[in-house]
Amino acid sequence: AQKVTQAQTEISVVEKEDVTLDCVYETRDTTYYLFWYKQPPSGELVFLIRRNSFDEQNEISGRYSWNFQKSTSSFNFTITASQVVDSAVYFCALSEEVGVDSNYQLIWGAGTKLIIKP
Amino acid sequence: DAMVIQNPRYQVTQFGKPVTLSCSQTLNHNVMYWYQQKSSQAPKLLFHYYDKDFNNEADTPDNFQSRRPNTSFCFLDIRSPGLGDAAMYLCATSMGSTDTQYFGPGTRLTVL
Repeated sequence: AQKVTQAQTEISVVEKEDVTLDCVYETRDTTYYLFWYKQPPSGELVFLIRRNSFDEQNEISGRYSWNFQKSTSSFNFTITASQVVDSAVYFCALSEEVGVDSNYQLIWGAGTKLIIKP
Repeated sequence: DAMVIQNPRYQVTQFGKPVTLSCSQTLNHNVMYWYQQKSSQAPKLLFHYYDKDFNNEADTPDNFQSRRPNTSFCFLDIRSPGLGDAAMYLCATSMGSTDTQYFGPGTRLTVL
């Protein structure tokens, strides 16, 4: 069963529109971490945000905002007033304990390709 | 600036010819990871080191090996590259296993 679901394979919007990228996760752990990464065409994965399971506060960073809701197991990402430079693949990831010895690993969603048209 | 560096950025090798990719970090992080990413897919963890403790993913082919001679450097050796090994190889580091992973720019491997 897929543990991190990014149902939107590709989204295309016109510049200045707001856009929300969905992420739904599945875990039995009470302690886990959620991440968003951006991967522009250059290929480098750029860290955007980390959230632990005990912190449900929403976060805003400039034009970016994140909505973490444990009740629906979702961690959605919104870009306000999108710009062409926001065009990239965005990955949501879940870090949960694997095996023993407090070993945590990232479980990645399939990614959402965001295209911002000028 | 503290960072994760990968060399080379682009690597071309021939089918079956061994190749080594390198990663270095100035973050002084304990954990180093190697991921393989193929086109339009999420990164796939190959292995990671927690300090000198090596952890191999169960489905990582034996063709892939890794070395971490010191805290700052980690190498990925592909002993006999096949056409299916053409991919982007990403190195990442984190302080601990629950902490944020920071990625290098990647090495794009082409196998002819």
